[in-house]
Amino acid sequence: SQKIEQNSEALNIQEGKTATLTCNYTNYSPAYLQWYRQDPGRGPVFLLLIRENEKEKRKERLKVTFDTTLKQSLFHITASQPADSATYLCALAGTGGFKTIFGAGTRLFVKA
Amino acid sequence: DAGVIQSPRHEVTEMGQEVTLRCKPISGHDYLFWYRQTMMRGLELLIYFNNNVPIDDSGMPEDRFSAKMPNASFSTLKIQPSEPRDSAVYFCASSPGLAGKVVEQFFGPGTRLTVL
Repeated sequence: SQKIEQNSEALNIQEGKTATLTCNYTNYSPAYLQWYRQDPGRGPVFLLLIRENEKEKRKERLKVTFDTTLKQSLFHITASQPADSATYLCALAGTGGFKTIFGAGTRLFVKA
Repeated sequence: DAGVIQSPRHEVTEMGQEVTLRCKPISGHDYLFWYRQTMMRGLELLIYFNNNVPIDDSGMPEDRFSAKMPNASFSTLKIQPSEPRDSAVYFCASSPGLAGKVVEQFFGPGTRLTVL
């Protein structure tokens, strides 16, 4: 069955450092990979989308890579800030439509 | 725009009762999604609609769950009868259709359901 794995343990980093979150998947060939941010008690908020024919995407301090051979995406937050502390969700969708599968998420804590 | 609107924000009910969750998507969005989030199972897609038509309901757990979208501005998710294991946060999300290509989803604030 399709499976998405994200770092199950929380990631703790110091302010100013680069946070790197990992998303691995199996038994799936996604056409789209997305990253969302979720704060406690709130719905997920979209951050970035990358397509299968794209290797890298950037938006301000965020960078996403997509390696379809390794079946892995890396999500980077450069110059991290305490306000970046949240849970980050990886989501996959195929070419068939909008059916989206979400990973369990990784909690990020940025210390001042 | 007010974003995706869900009601109620919190619902506490007793086992066996009918529960109806409501969603108003962002105006102009062609796609509407219902998700359920629990600690154990994470965020799961239950069903999604395109132009008010259900496209994929394979995530609906049982016949006790049903969803409707009578028009472009309103959708309901009904659980009848409810059970304690249905306790979760239910999210509604909408997305614009851009030639059928996947684009971002906009999530509502969620409804926290507790079934006693």
